[in-house]
This record gives sequence, C-alpha cells and structure tokens, in this order.
Amino acid sequence: AQSVAQPEDQVNVAEGNPLTVKCTYSVSGNPYLFWYVQYPNRGLQFLLKYITGDNLVKGSYGFEAEFNKSQTSFHLKKPSALVSDSALYFCAVRDWQTGANNLFFGTGTRLTVIP
Amino acid sequence: NAGVTQTPKFQVLKTGQSMTLQCAQDMNHNSMYWYRQDPGMGLRLIYYSASEGTTDKGEVPNGYNVSRLNKREFSLRLESAAPSQTSVYFCASSEDRASPYEQYFGPGTRLTVT
Repeated sequence: AQSVAQPEDQVNVAEGNPLTVKCTYSVSGNPYLFWYVQYPNRGLQFLLKYITGDNLVKGSYGFEAEFNKSQTSFHLKKPSALVSDSALYFCAVRDWQTGANNLFFGTGTRLTVIP
Repeated sequence: NAGVTQTPKFQVLKTGQSMTLQCAQDMNHNSMYWYRQDPGMGLRLIYYSASEGTTDKGEVPNGYNVSRLNKREFSLRLESAAPSQTSVYFCASSEDRASPYEQYFGPGTRLTVT
C-alpha cells in the first residue's frame, strides 16, 4: 500500500528565511513523487516532480525538493521565502496499485510567510 | 488553450436532489480524474478514466457516477445528494503514456448540500 505523510499541518516562516515543507512516503513500486501548490479558491498547480535521476529536483517559482531514498522523504525547500509563497502545499506519490496515472495525496501543509 | 475547465463554480443542492458536474480538457490527455477535497483530508480520488470509454472507481466512489463522454469531457453525477457530499470537487487530466505524468487541475466546484 502507498501512503504520503505531511507531518506538519502548518508551517510559519519569516520572509527572506529558508523554508522546508516535509513529506515522507511509502510506496510499493518506484517512487514517483510530486509537489503541488494550491492558492486560495484555486485548483492545484504542479510545482515539481521526481521520477528518476538527480536527487535534487528544481521546479517552479524557485522551489526545489530533495529525494532521499533511505529516509523515504521528499522535502520541499526554498532558499528565501516570499509572502506570495503563502499557500497550501500537497505532496503526492504515484499509486502503482491502480491504473492510469493515479496519485495519492498527502493531507496538505499550510505555509504562511510572515512579512 | 484553457487547460481544464469545470462548471459550475458553485452549487447549492437540497438533500436528495441530483446534479452533474462538467469537466473538459483541451490538452489531448488520455486520463481524467475526479477528486474531492475536504478540510484535513487532502484530495481523495472518486473516479478516474484511463482512456476514452473506460472508467474505474477510486478511493471514495459511493454516491457518485461518471461518464467519459469523449476524450475531452468527463462528467461526475450525484444521483441523490447527501450532506456528506458537501465538498470542493476537482477535475484533473494527465498524459500517462509517457513522462511528464503530472496531473493538471481545474479550478474546482464548491458544492454545498443542505
């Protein structure tokens, strides 16, 4: 069975400081991992993904994520937070137990960047 | 190129009423999905369609039906709405025959059942 854990419901960070949003996963199959962002009253937007290759993945808006196989983690990071980064962030893993390209989502982490 | 569109944006139903949520994508994707989003529970898959003409149940299919009308359109129907179906519904699509694999989401439908 696969699962995604986002251990923090809420993360607060001061503007200009580095930010980390945590994600750990469990999957029976290759770990295809994704991060999405949701701004208020909007749909989810794709940020970045890890399929294979370099463990450090760079994505949109200056975000990056590090795949760590031994710790089964895929934490989202940004060197310098902006107030506009405040949003809801979801980690997801490809669901190999079903067909299509189904994703299994975590419960989300609300990031607040304080001016 | 509008991406994934959903109608309506908002809907209020009384218990027992029926309605259909519409979704269309213009990216020529094979796969389409319906999710519901509830506070503290993330997104849960209701139904998906791996290709035109096929549909399958996801994690929470009870109380819903779907139709993959053609490659572009994937509708979600509530036959007899219940308060437990109050939620925000998202449609998504993806191209799954090769990378990039990621799903593209519509803006959502906020449904309230009273």
